[in-house]
Amino acid sequence: AQKITQTQPGMFVQEKEAVTLDCTYDTSDPSYGLFWYKQPSSGEMIFLIYQGSYDQQNATEGRYSLNFQKARKSANLVISASQLGDSAMYFCAMREQNTGNQFYFGTGTSLTVIP
Amino acid sequence: DTEVTQTPKHLVMGMTNKKSLKCEQHMGHRAMYWYKQKAKKPPELMFVYSYEKLSINESVPSRFSPECPNSSLLNLHLHALQPEDSALYLCASSMEERGNQETQYFGPGTRLLVL
Repeated sequence: AQKITQTQPGMFVQEKEAVTLDCTYDTSDPSYGLFWYKQPSSGEMIFLIYQGSYDQQNATEGRYSLNFQKARKSANLVISASQLGDSAMYFCAMREQNTGNQFYFGTGTSLTVIP
Repeated sequence: DTEVTQTPKHLVMGMTNKKSLKCEQHMGHRAMYWYKQKAKKPPELMFVYSYEKLSINESVPSRFSPECPNSSLLNLHLHALQPEDSALYLCASSMEERGNQETQYFGPGTRLLVL
């Protein structure tokens, strides 16, 4: 079974609008971390935001927030006030306590911001 | 400082060549990773070093040979590669002490073309 599922291969959003990128995960480990990364066409993977399985509140970092619904095993990324520079691939990833250094990545969502 | 550096940025090699990719970080991270990434796909884990010892080898062909000379450096030695090995090679590092709360920090990658 896939550990991380991203069901939106491509998304479009109007500049200055908000957009939600979906991510669901599968784990039996009670302790895990969820991460979102942005990868522009230049190739570098940029860490955006982290949510821990025991965190009571949704994580926020500037214009990025994570809508964490533990019972549904979802960790959607919300980008507010989209900018042209937000156009990139976005990957959701998970790290489990029991599997140590292993990071599991989703297939990614390609976001295009339209002027 | 959250910088991971990689050299070279671009590499073109023939199938009989021997070359090396280099990765360096000075964040005191004790886990270092090599990933291979094809266009529009998620990164595929190749190797993980933890405290300078190889901890994960994802059944990578022996034409790829990793080396971790010290805690700051990670090399990937390439020999007799195939055209299908052409890809973006990403290096990453992470802390170990807080386990699944720690993100990976990625380098800018090396774009490899095998002719």
